[in-house]
Amino acid sequence: AQKITQTQPGMFVQEKEAVTLDCTYDTSDPSYGLFWYKQPSSGEMIFLIYQGSYDQQNATEGRYSLNFQKARKSANLVISASQLGDSAMYFCAMREGQKGGGYNKLIFGAGTRLAVHP
Amino acid sequence: EPEVTQTPSHQVTQMGQEVILRCVPISNHLYFYWYRQILGQKVEFLVSFYNNEISEKSEIFDDQFSVERPDGSNFTLKIRSTKLEDSAMYFCASSPSANYGYTFGSGTRLTVV
Repeated sequence: AQKITQTQPGMFVQEKEAVTLDCTYDTSDPSYGLFWYKQPSSGEMIFLIYQGSYDQQNATEGRYSLNFQKARKSANLVISASQLGDSAMYFCAMREGQKGGGYNKLIFGAGTRLAVHP
Repeated sequence: EPEVTQTPSHQVTQMGQEVILRCVPISNHLYFYWYRQILGQKVEFLVSFYNNEISEKSEIFDDQFSVERPDGSNFTLKIRSTKLEDSAMYFCASSPSANYGYTFGSGTRLTVV
């Protein structure tokens, strides 16, 4: 079974509008972390935002916020006031807990390609 | 801001040749990782490394692959005999602890011809 599902292979948004990128996850571990990364055409992986499974509030980082709905196992990324430079691939990833504490590898979704139109 | 450095940024190699991809993690980080991304596909975990030994590896990380931290600063991924399907972007990452976020390097694009 897919651990991380991103159902939108591509999205487009008008500049200055908000956009939501969907991510659902599957885990039976009560301790996990959820991450969003941006990958521009140059290829590097840029960390955007993190949500821990025990965090009470939704994470925010500037124009990025994470709509965390634990019961639904979803962790959607919201980008407000889109800019042309936001055009990129966006990956959702999860890090599960391990026995004895601590986390380990990231499991990535297939990604969503976002295009911001002027 | 501290960063993870990967060299080279792009490497072309003949099938069957050995390649070594190099990474310099952030100096106070203790956990190191290699991931790969075949063009247009998802990012896949290869291996994690802690306390001078592999802590986890994926099914992709077969006997053709090895990792080493030879001198306390570099972290290398060796592919012994490259195959065409090894062509991918390889990312190194490091983190200060097991339950903290990663910092990724900018990647090495490996092309096997």
